[in-house]
Parts: sequence; structure tokens; C-alpha cells
Amino acid sequence: GIQVEQSPPDLILQEGANSTLRCNFSDSVNNLQWFHQNPWGQLINLFYIPSGTKQNGRLSATTVATERYSLLYISSSQTTDSGVYFCAVEPVSGNTPLVFGKGTRLSVIA
Amino acid sequence: DAGITQSPRHKVTETGTPVTLRCHQTENHRYMYWYRQDPGHGLRLIHYSYGVKDTDKGEVSDGYSVSRSKTEDFLLTLESATSSQTSVYFCAISLSGETQYFGPGTRLLVL
Repeated sequence: GIQVEQSPPDLILQEGANSTLRCNFSDSVNNLQWFHQNPWGQLINLFYIPSGTKQNGRLSATTVATERYSLLYISSSQTTDSGVYFCAVEPVSGNTPLVFGKGTRLSVIA
Repeated sequence: DAGITQSPRHKVTETGTPVTLRCHQTENHRYMYWYRQDPGHGLRLIHYSYGVKDTDKGEVSDGYSVSRSKTEDFLLTLESATSSQTSVYFCAISLSGETQYFGPGTRLLVL
């Protein structure tokens, strides 16, 4: 099945710093989403982005489907950005709605 | 936020007992999903539904069954719970099969 690799696995930032999270996938996809899981366990959908670029406040995401990767940018990070960021993809082939990567754990320190 | 609730939120049970988890939505979304989350594995799909009485298996469906008799409810049943099914279970919904919205999760401990 499709492989979804996220990097880095862990990231520690000082408040105010910028960061880039990466998601590589091994096959063509119909659907790519980014999620944030906060320290209390709640999962929030950040972006539905099978291709192109989207922005939402301090967060933006870019997916280059032909090269099989997506990037999540966090600018001017805040302590509330801490948590785990997941990338999830729906492969073109197969019958699986979404396959998740293992996530990037982000800690933002004041 | 999408109106999704899960019940119970926490459960402790014994090996061999049946367990049913409920996901309820007020959004009239067509698609519903059950995932489990375990350390080192991220989220893995157990079963999903693309309409009333229409369900399909995910990547970790063994030991689980589901039912969807009406749009708003999706039930996950562990027929005979095992310790390997100790996990956090998340329900998700989607209007069109694209963006998914997650419920708050259920923590299940099987002793």
C-alpha cells in the first residue's frame, strides 16, 4: 500500500520562529489533508489540499502532486501551535479513504 | 465545528466482553469513519460507511464490526474485546468524501 512519511518526527521551536513540515507519499493521490492534534487529543482539520497552495492565517500548505510531497508552513509560531501534525492521503489506487502518516510532534517554547 | 459526539468517552472493560462505541452526528454528512490511534502507528482506519447500511473495511478491521441504520449514527462493536484493542478510538465524518472532521475520541482500556 501507499507509504506516507512525515519529517521531522519531532521539532522544538522558540515562540515566534517559523517552521516547515514535510509529507512525502509513495503513490498518486486523490486527496491530501493536514490535521493538528492538540495536547488534549482533539484533531482539527487544517487543510484539504490535493494540489496547489492554500493559506489560513499563519499557516499555509503547498502540495506538489506530481512530485508526491506536501509542505505545511507555520509562521510566527505560538505555544498554542504545539501538538502533533498529521498528513493523510487517499491513494488513487486501492480502496482506502485516508492513510495517515505518523506525524510530526511540535513543541513551541515561550 | 462539526457536530460529532462519541459515547462513551472512557471505558474500562474485561477481555472477552462485547463493547459498542457510538458515533453520533448532527451534520447529515454521508460518510462516517472509525479510526484507532496507537503510539507509533498514528491513526489507522478500521471501518467506514458511505451511506446508510453501506459499509466497508479499513486496514485494521479484524475483530471489529460496524452498523449504520440511520444517517446520524455509526456504531463500532468489538465482539469479544482483547487487550490489543486497548486504544483511543476516533470517529470522523465527511460530506463528500473529501475533508474529514473528527469527534473527541473514546479511550478504551481492555484488562
